[in-house]
Amino acid sequence: DIVMTQSPDFLAVSLGERATINCKSSQSVLYSSNNENFLAWYQQKPRQPPKLLIYWASTRESGVPDRFSGSGSGTDFTLTINSLQAEDVATYYCQHYFLTPRTFGQGTKVEIK
Amino acid sequence: QIQLQQSGVGLVKPSQTLSLSCDISGDSVSSNSATWNWIRQSPSRGLEWLGRTYYRSKWYTEYAISVKGRITINPDTSRNQFSLQLNSMTPEDTAMYYCARERCRGTICYSGSDIWGQGTMVTVSS
Repeated sequence: DIVMTQSPDFLAVSLGERATINCKSSQSVLYSSNNENFLAWYQQKPRQPPKLLIYWASTRESGVPDRFSGSGSGTDFTLTINSLQAEDVATYYCQHYFLTPRTFGQGTKVEIK
Repeated sequence: QIQLQQSGVGLVKPSQTLSLSCDISGDSVSSNSATWNWIRQSPSRGLEWLGRTYYRSKWYTEYAISVKGRITINPDTSRNQFSLQLNSMTPEDTAMYYCARERCRGTICYSGSDIWGQGTMVTVSS
């Protein structure tokens, strides 16, 4: 199985500042046939299911604010939240969908400093 | 608007079988452009993919090794839903269970899970 490791586990950021979350996969999730990274980012708020934010490592899902951006390739990925808003307080997860089983990172909890 | 609505009992006794259903609206369980997944979440195991079913000229199912031998995922085309059965439940199976859709183009599923059910909290206790 591909192991997904996020850092940090917890992040406190001031309102309006930038939050950066890292995700590392134990093997490359870059699909050579289309040169896309099979990596997604989710946001989860308490008592809600995860919400898809980013797929193909950097493509924002429809309706996701543009302060959320994804980057990286191969095994190293980053989710950046520019100008953190109060409604961004949540736990964020990365997930690969390169093969089965799909696996998730352990999560990064983002709070307001 | 595509929605997934879960149903099923949330309290299961040890050694018994968990049965959950996921009703699909706005899409089809027989779609060639989706897969239909079960995922669970617990504090000890995090988010854990359990398995999926999908139709590509015939039906396919895949299961996680961690639950293989205990799990069955079945599509029901007449009700446009898919189900999860997990046998021989133990307290370690206590978790929030979700159904979820993955979008695909042909054989390539390209987005992760874009639609999720509301979740069912399952507790295994006598």
